[in-house]
Amino acid sequence: AQTVTQSQPEMSVQEAETVTLSCTYDTSESDYYLFWYKQPPSRQMILVIRQEAYKQQNATENRFSVNFQKAAKSFSLKISDSQLGDAAMYFCAYKYNNAGNMLTFGGGTRLMVKP
Amino acid sequence: DSGVTQTPKHLITATGQRVTLRCSPRSGDLSVYWYQQSLDQGLQFLIQYYNGEERAKGNILERFSAQQFPDLHSELNLSSLELGDSALYFCASSVGGTALNNEQFFGPGTRLTVL
Repeated sequence: AQTVTQSQPEMSVQEAETVTLSCTYDTSESDYYLFWYKQPPSRQMILVIRQEAYKQQNATENRFSVNFQKAAKSFSLKISDSQLGDAAMYFCAYKYNNAGNMLTFGGGTRLMVKP
Repeated sequence: DSGVTQTPKHLITATGQRVTLRCSPRSGDLSVYWYQQSLDQGLQFLIQYYNGEERAKGNILERFSAQQFPDLHSELNLSSLELGDSALYFCASSVGGTALNNEQFFGPGTRLTVL
């Protein structure tokens, strides 16, 4: 079974600093996608960034980037120049090519941003 | 705004009761996914429908059922409710098909409280 693990229940960062959230996953599949979702206090699930397993280049979206280590099954999220609006729960998620393409989520990391 | 709508936003009911949660997918999306977010179980996939047909099932209890109607909206029915069913229920939609890169767009969720 595919599992996603986020080992940091909570993280804290100073405004304007950089923080890295960790995620590991377990799979025997070769073709899959990995995602980071942000869930602010509004509870809306917002896609932050995604990475296809076949792409060696790490995905980047503005201040958000990932470090994808396929052999190590590691997928960390780096947030640069942290802003107060980045405070939220962050979920790592995995999807592979099965009948449903459903998402499997990690347990989440709560990010606090200090002014 | 993801384009996915869910009603109601909040629902408070008693143990043993039955409720129906409704989801309207984004225009053009054929797939609907239901996810449950609870303190105990985290975010987990319940069930998926594609163009009216059940496509995949996750950790969905027998007391729960769902369907997708010809206009593509979906309903999640929860019966014989227990305290542990209190959770945030998300609906997500995607274009569908088997393409792995189809992004899922999440609705705002329905907060269910069972007293």
